[in-house]
Amino acid sequence: EDQVTQSPEALRLQEGESSSLNCSYTVSGLRGLFWYRQDPGKGPEFLFTLYSAGEEKEKERLKATLTKKESFLHITAPKPEDSATYLCAVTATGGGNKLTFGTGTQLKVEL
Amino acid sequence: NAGVTQTPKFRVLKTGQSMTLLCAQDMNHEYMYWYRQDPGMGLRLIHYSVGEGTTAKGEVPDGYNVSRLKKQNFLLGLESAAPSQTSVYFCASSYVARNQPQHFGDGTRLSIL
Repeated sequence: EDQVTQSPEALRLQEGESSSLNCSYTVSGLRGLFWYRQDPGKGPEFLFTLYSAGEEKEKERLKATLTKKESFLHITAPKPEDSATYLCAVTATGGGNKLTFGTGTQLKVEL
Repeated sequence: NAGVTQTPKFRVLKTGQSMTLLCAQDMNHEYMYWYRQDPGMGLRLIHYSVGEGTTAKGEVPDGYNVSRLKKQNFLLGLESAAPSQTSVYFCASSYVARNQPQHFGDGTRLSIL
């Protein structure tokens, strides 16, 4: 059974204090790893897709990296508007486009 | 652009009542999905569709039915609502091509009393 575990469950940062969120996964064969951002009362918003170990993608203050067992979402010099829940999900070989989600990391960035 | 639109946004039902949640997408996506999101459980796939007229079961299909009569619409039905179905329901859609990201609506918050 495919599994995705995210840590920490919650993270509080000061504005400008860089940190990383972790997503570890167990799948029969990884096809893709996805990062989403979810704001309160809203649906998940797509951020990145990573396909193979060593791959990196960046968007503004966010950088996602992938190894054979986990992915990291690095947040550099965060701002209060980066506060959200960040979700990680995977698609697996033989699973079509079906996503298996982790439970998310709730990030709060304070002034 | 509307993207994925879900109606209603909120609903309160009594145990045993039935209702239908509507999802509409304007991106010409072939695939559509229904998820539920519960605290501490993450998003779980209920049913999905790979094209007009097709449906398939996901991880937690019991107590739900779906229909995809038109490419742009995906309906989720609860025939006899139970308190365990209290949740936030999200619809998503995507292109067929491998690893295309799913695009989500803003959810329907459903309470079953």
